[in-house]
Amino acid sequence: AQSVAQPEDQVNVAEGNPLTVKCTYSVSGNPYLFWYVQYPNRGLQFLLKYITGDNLVKGSYGFEAEFNKSQTSFHLKKPSALVSDSALYFCAVRDYGGYSSASKIIFGSGTRLSIRP
Amino acid sequence: NAGVTQTPKFQVLKTGQSMTLQCAQDMNHNSMYWYRQDPGMGLRLIYYSASEGTTDKGEVPNGYNVSRLNKREFSLRLESAAPSQTSVYFCASSDRTALTMVEAFFGQGTRLTVV
Repeated sequence: AQSVAQPEDQVNVAEGNPLTVKCTYSVSGNPYLFWYVQYPNRGLQFLLKYITGDNLVKGSYGFEAEFNKSQTSFHLKKPSALVSDSALYFCAVRDYGGYSSASKIIFGSGTRLSIRP
Repeated sequence: NAGVTQTPKFQVLKTGQSMTLQCAQDMNHNSMYWYRQDPGMGLRLIYYSASEGTTDKGEVPNGYNVSRLNKREFSLRLESAAPSQTSVYFCASSDRTALTMVEAFFGQGTRLTVV
């Protein structure tokens, strides 16, 4: 079964510094990976996805993620953190059951990112 | 441009009461999902529906039932609510083709408290 792991419950970064939120995955075939962000009392918003192609994926709000097949990782990064980036971040993988089968999205446990001024 | 709409936004139930959470999407997506979010647990899949007329169990289906009423609507029913079902519930929808796996779009959530 597909799964993702987010090893850090919380990440604290000073504003202006680079940030990394870690994610590792386990899949039986080609990985389809996503990052979502959740602001307080809101639903999840899509940030970026990796399907195939370049290992560095660029997304919304200046975020990017690096896909590393040998390390089975898909870490979220941003060169310069903003206080407004403070939120809960989820890594996810699509469990692809084949075109004619149902597929579902499996989420990690989430990492709370806190950016201090 | 509504996207995914969930009702209600908040609900308090007594143990043993029943209720239905409603979800509708206007993006013509085939797949719809119900998740629950609990502190430290992330999002856990309750049920999902790949297309109209089909539903499948997720990680935590016990105590819930679902209905895919049509392509737009996917409801979640709690027949006899328990305090363990206190959570925030999210509905989501997505679509895909044979070549691309598309991201999911989420509703704003329903905060359910069972006392």
